[in-house]
Amino acid sequence: SAVISQKPSRDICQRGTSLTIQCQVDSQVTMMFWYRQQPGQSLTLIATANQGSEATYESGFVIDKFPISRPNLTFSTLTVSNMSPEDSSIYLCSSLKGPTEAFFGQGTRLTVV
Amino acid sequence: KQEVTQIPAALSVPEGENLVLNCSFTDSAIYNLQWFRQDPGKGLTSLLLIQSSQREQTSGRLNASLDKSSGRSTLYIAASQPGDSATYLCAVLPSSNTGKLIFGQGTTLQVKP
Repeated sequence: SAVISQKPSRDICQRGTSLTIQCQVDSQVTMMFWYRQQPGQSLTLIATANQGSEATYESGFVIDKFPISRPNLTFSTLTVSNMSPEDSSIYLCSSLKGPTEAFFGQGTRLTVV
Repeated sequence: KQEVTQIPAALSVPEGENLVLNCSFTDSAIYNLQWFRQDPGKGLTSLLLIQSSQREQTSGRLNASLDKSSGRSTLYIAASQPGDSATYLCAVLPSSNTGKLIFGQGTTLQVKP
């Protein structure tokens, strides 16, 4: 059925703290993707997470700031570390079914104060 | 480098009107193109997926076309309703098929009762 459950749906965090976002897929998937959507902007890919290997980060994103875990084929987490107001965004996880049709979680709306 | 552009950025129409949203891309080497709907602060819902070999796809009041050679896609919404108010995003999957989508900036649609 290809459903991703993402949580939390929203959070307000203090600067300097970290937030971990979780995504659970209802079936096994090879690749999971993490995107960021800054206010008024489109989606930008942060990294690709494959099970059993380290995540692959896109230009401008680093592991120290956005550590990712992928412990099995149905689950992944993204941590936003040492947050600043500039990290206020919607964060979305995604995967593929079919195998080229993308589907997304419900998004996490993060506000850093 | 693939770039995806959506025009217009915003659109306001009266209920019942038929409308067309435009998406253009600079590199015709795509695997597929996908249209999404995003409600404010939420995740993405897939509307239509067009493979590179296809010319159009239909789902209910929605029809998406693809002209790969000219780098264009359109999303046609028939008999618009207030519930159609949302942001519509198009995304291309490059022919390298790494799973990484490239998104346009979106068109924010408001359908007035």
